[in-house]
Amino acid sequence: SQTIHQWPATLVQPVGSPLSLECTVEGTSNPNLYWYRQAAGRGLQLLFYSVGIGQISSEVPQNLSASRPQDRQFILSSKKLLLSDSGFYLCAWSRQYNEQFFGPGTRLTVL
Amino acid sequence: KQEVTQIPAALSVPEGENLVLNCSFTDSAIYNLQWFRQDPGKGLTSLLLIQSSQREQTSGRLNASLDKSSGRSTLYIAASQPGDSATYLCAAPAASQGAQKLVFGQGTRLTINP
Repeated sequence: SQTIHQWPATLVQPVGSPLSLECTVEGTSNPNLYWYRQAAGRGLQLLFYSVGIGQISSEVPQNLSASRPQDRQFILSSKKLLLSDSGFYLCAWSRQYNEQFFGPGTRLTVL
Repeated sequence: KQEVTQIPAALSVPEGENLVLNCSFTDSAIYNLQWFRQDPGKGLTSLLLIQSSQREQTSGRLNASLDKSSGRSTLYIAASQPGDSATYLCAAPAASQGAQKLVFGQGTRLTINP
């Protein structure tokens, strides 16, 4: 069976500090990978998606970037965090146009 | 541009009732629609995926329907239980190349009272 992991589970960072969130998927190969953000009182917003190693599509211009160094690894980064980057970050995977499965999420608080 | 709306935003019912959650979408050229459940502070759990060729999909006490022509989907929960309390989200895909780009509704926060 497939499993998706995210870490860390929670993170508190000062404004201006760097960020690295990691997501890994087990039990499948060549998945599509996605990063979403869920801000307080707002819906889920797709940030990035990837259909293969090194292939990243950005949905929203922002302070964040994503990378996919390995087939089942997806990383969300920032060089300098803003207060507005606070939120709940969710990673997901799917097989092309099929059912999408989500990880447990990372709660990021920027102070 | 795909937009997804869910009504009501919140719903509170006594245990044992049958209930319906509604979802509408603007771009009917979809190949599937997915329903999720989210517990507070947790990730999303996939409940049902309805393909465009289907009109209904069932899993246990849950039944989801899809009407592409009217841009609507419903999630029916039979014999509700306190453990069903959660936020329910529907998501429809936006046009994309090779990836399932989902657009989410704001969700319906469901409370089942014992």
